[in-house]
Amino acid sequence: ILNVEQSPQSLHVQEGDSTNFTCSFPSSNFYALHWYRWETAKSPEALFVMTLNGDEKKKGRISATLNTKEGYSYLYIKGSQPEDSATYLCASEMYSGGGADGLTFGKGTHLIIQP
Amino acid sequence: NAGVTQTPKFQVLKTGQSMTLQCAQDMNHEYMSWYRQDPGMGLRLIHYSVGAGITDQGEVPNGYNVSRSTTEDFPLRLLSAAPSQTSVYFCASSLKQGSIQPQHFGDGTRLSIL
Repeated sequence: ILNVEQSPQSLHVQEGDSTNFTCSFPSSNFYALHWYRWETAKSPEALFVMTLNGDEKKKGRISATLNTKEGYSYLYIKGSQPEDSATYLCASEMYSGGGADGLTFGKGTHLIIQP
Repeated sequence: NAGVTQTPKFQVLKTGQSMTLQCAQDMNHEYMSWYRQDPGMGLRLIHYSVGAGITDQGEVPNGYNVSRSTTEDFPLRLLSAAPSQTSVYFCASSLKQGSIQPQHFGDGTRLSIL
């Protein structure tokens, strides 16, 4: 069983500040790394799927980087807004003999933006 | 375009009862999966399917059965509900296994076992 770790567990950020958090995952047999945004009472919504070492993806004020050799990914939010308040999940997809296995999720980083 | 539809949204069962959680997707996705979400545990994979007629176990399969007779539907069955199965269940789908595509989630089913 993969062990995907996210830190910090929760984070309070002032509106307008930038922030970042970490996802670490086993680097062996790595296939893909997913980031999801999960608002309360809604379902997780995909942000990024990343595969290549050194890859960087951006969506508006949110960006993510990937280091597959050392097994970590960072998610950055620039100029945080109240609507960014959510739990951010990362999930690792591992390669097995028959193809990629299902996702193994971290426990998430709960982000609260304070006005 | 409905995406991934889960029914019911809420259910209360007594210990020992059986029920089926329904999941349907209209995106012609080959890959479908079931997760449970418990406080402090994150999403854990129960079962998944890479196509019609093919299913496999995830991290926490005990107490659950699945089948995939069509591409669209992937029901999750609890044969004899136990209080430990109280959880929020999410169904998800993606284009195909290993396609490097994001998963699309349903709205979840909140299940309480008394």
